Amino acid sequence: DSGVTQTPKHLITATGQRVTLRCSPRSGDLSVYWYQQSLDQGLQFLIQYYNGEERAKGNILERFSAQQFPDLHSELNLSSLELGDSALYFCASSVAKEAYNSPLHFGNGTRLTVT
Amino acid sequence: AQSVTQPDIHITVSEGASLELRCNYSYGATPYLFWYVQSPGQGLQLLLKYFSGDTLVQGIKGFEAEFKRSQSSFNLRKPSVHWSDAAEYFCAVGERGSQGNLIFGKGTKLSVKP
Repeated sequence: DSGVTQTPKHLITATGQRVTLRCSPRSGDLSVYWYQQSLDQGLQFLIQYYNGEERAKGNILERFSAQQFPDLHSELNLSSLELGDSALYFCASSVAKEAYNSPLHFGNGTRLTVT
Repeated sequence: AQSVTQPDIHITVSEGASLELRCNYSYGATPYLFWYVQSPGQGLQLLLKYFSGDTLVQGIKGFEAEFKRSQSSFNLRKPSVHWSDAAEYFCAVGERGSQGNLIFGKGTKLSVKP
């Protein structure tokens, strides 16, 4: 058990809809990372928050947004969903600001299916 | 641009046989290198990491990896594979000052024959 909790585990929704994925980091971790995993693209970094502030942005679409709350949990909002957004979305947390500086602890992911 | 290549999409080995999973990276500076494992239905778990120093690093579950700068490689090895090692393995690279995120390879799926 990594200590990172993601909810829900599965989400099925229709095109054009909006969903929110939630992540509770491991106790004591200040950084939260969001990754998208698909068969064709592999594991793609979306965005990182550190102690409530956005720190790094990767290949995140404008239709997607995220935030980290004062209690350090994070939410990833996906809107105007398209079929191609179907993927496994992982949250990871770490103690440090930089991913290379301390291990990333991954949640079990949220599987999003857009129909 | 940084990149990580895992040339083998799928590898099958017999239980008890040795294993080597390949990883090549493209990077300008000294990389920080990682191997993660993902079991079915689970998130990724760190196996080992290389930051500096001894180029042969030991990890959990009996895995080791060797950093070879001249070959831009960081191959993962295990002398004797167990059925429970069946999973997907990801190599990743990070860089100081790159805003901190890791670049992952596309993974190698390991199957273990009894």
